Amino acid sequence: GAGVSQSPSNKVTEKGKDVELRCDPISGHTALYWYRQSLGQGLEFLIYFQGNSAPDKSGLPSDRFSAERTGGSVSTLTIQRTQQEDSAVYLCASSLVAGGSYEQYFGPGTRLTVT
Amino acid sequence: AQRVTQPEKLLSVFKGAPVELKCNYSYSGSPELFWYVQYSRQRLQLLLRHISRESIKGFTADLNKGETSFHLKKPFAQEEDSAMYYCALSSGTASKLTFGTGTRLQVTL
Repeated sequence: GAGVSQSPSNKVTEKGKDVELRCDPISGHTALYWYRQSLGQGLEFLIYFQGNSAPDKSGLPSDRFSAERTGGSVSTLTIQRTQQEDSAVYLCASSLVAGGSYEQYFGPGTRLTVT
Repeated sequence: AQRVTQPEKLLSVFKGAPVELKCNYSYSGSPELFWYVQYSRQRLQLLLRHISRESIKGFTADLNKGETSFHLKKPFAQEEDSAMYYCALSSGTASKLTFGTGTRLQVTL
């Protein structure tokens, strides 16, 4: 079946602009995660959604970052007033349910470049 | 706070040589540990998890709670093993993964 998909694959934006990154999880997966991979650093957790529960936003680096998940499926990560330090690869993952033992399936990522 | 440390950014070995990718973690509870791999131009994917105690593509990893380590090992490296390897930890109740910074394994002839 289809894996996790993300769009766009690449995004170049000017400092100060807003951007939206989209994630389509695997059908039937109730848990969805966003991670960020900055140059020279590991993957950093941003936010996760589990069903209709309140999302865990503990990893969002600032209030310029927000995410929503509509209808328990597609998710959008929004970065307002982008800064150069936001340049990174943003990865989305989904799993059947939330829980450490469940495998997370990753998308190909969106490479964001803020100029 | 939970943390994962991968001390080597790059590990270069010859084909047929043994491989050990180091991973140490800090976590006060009972962690679940994983190894993820990213081959060139492919997406990140799960390689193995400690609870499964399985061998995948010849790789094994044993959780050592005394040393808080979860090193990845393979007795004989193959060219196709060249990739970026990430060690990750989950607290179990919280689903989010805490990743190390990754180790690039380069297998040369």
